[in-house]
Amino acid sequence: QSALTQPASVSGSPGQSITISCTGTSSDVGSYNLVSWYQQHPGKAPKLLIYEVNRWPSGVSNRFSGSKSGNTASLTISGLQADDEADYYCYSYAGGRYVFGTGTQVAVL
Amino acid sequence: EVQLLESGGGLVQPGGSLRLSCAASGFTFSSYAMTWVRQAPGKGLEWVSLLSSSGGNTYYADSVKGRFTISRDNSKNTLYLQMSSLTAEDTAIYYCGKGSCTNGVCIWFDPWGQGTLVTVSS
Repeated sequence: QSALTQPASVSGSPGQSITISCTGTSSDVGSYNLVSWYQQHPGKAPKLLIYEVNRWPSGVSNRFSGSKSGNTASLTISGLQADDEADYYCYSYAGGRYVFGTGTQVAVL
Repeated sequence: EVQLLESGGGLVQPGGSLRLSCAASGFTFSSYAMTWVRQAPGKGLEWVSLLSSSGGNTYYADSVKGRFTISRDNSKNTLYLQMSSLTAEDTAIYYCGKGSCTNGVCIWFDPWGQGTLVTVSS
């Protein structure tokens, strides 16, 4: 059960847009539109940002958007803010199990 | 307000056992699947197990299959994780989460509790 692959870190300046990739396989990301994204601040529980590739839960800013192409899903954060500095994880259904991404640390310069 | 409160973590020796609990409130517990995920110190998140709303269907990561058992008591609004044959690799913060699922296929897990730390060491 290999984790989905994410870049270790991504950075951007306030107001900029950044994109985090999440690469899986045809057994997980490529086969199901059940990719979620979570934000985790240090010492805190994960928070749901996106589900079903590109849908927003209630209360989540539309500055966060998701997409998918083939075996790779992506999270874009637009209008980067200081509070966006956190770890981000993708998460996919994989046929009877679930797999997280390796995690990406976002730094706001 | 939905609340999930994990408990039961602590220090356990290699080969030992521990039972974690997750007390739920603010929603109809018996209507939702529940999951456990874990996070080793300084590491990423790892899915551990999923249990259907009725308790009739269970799913496990290969890393814990045969050693961990997920269960629930809908009369007590509580989720459990019985862990046995623990090794140092099981050292992590364990989080429980509420799922929106149908037949084991979950659209999302949210929210999560604040976690309980399990340390496996001699």
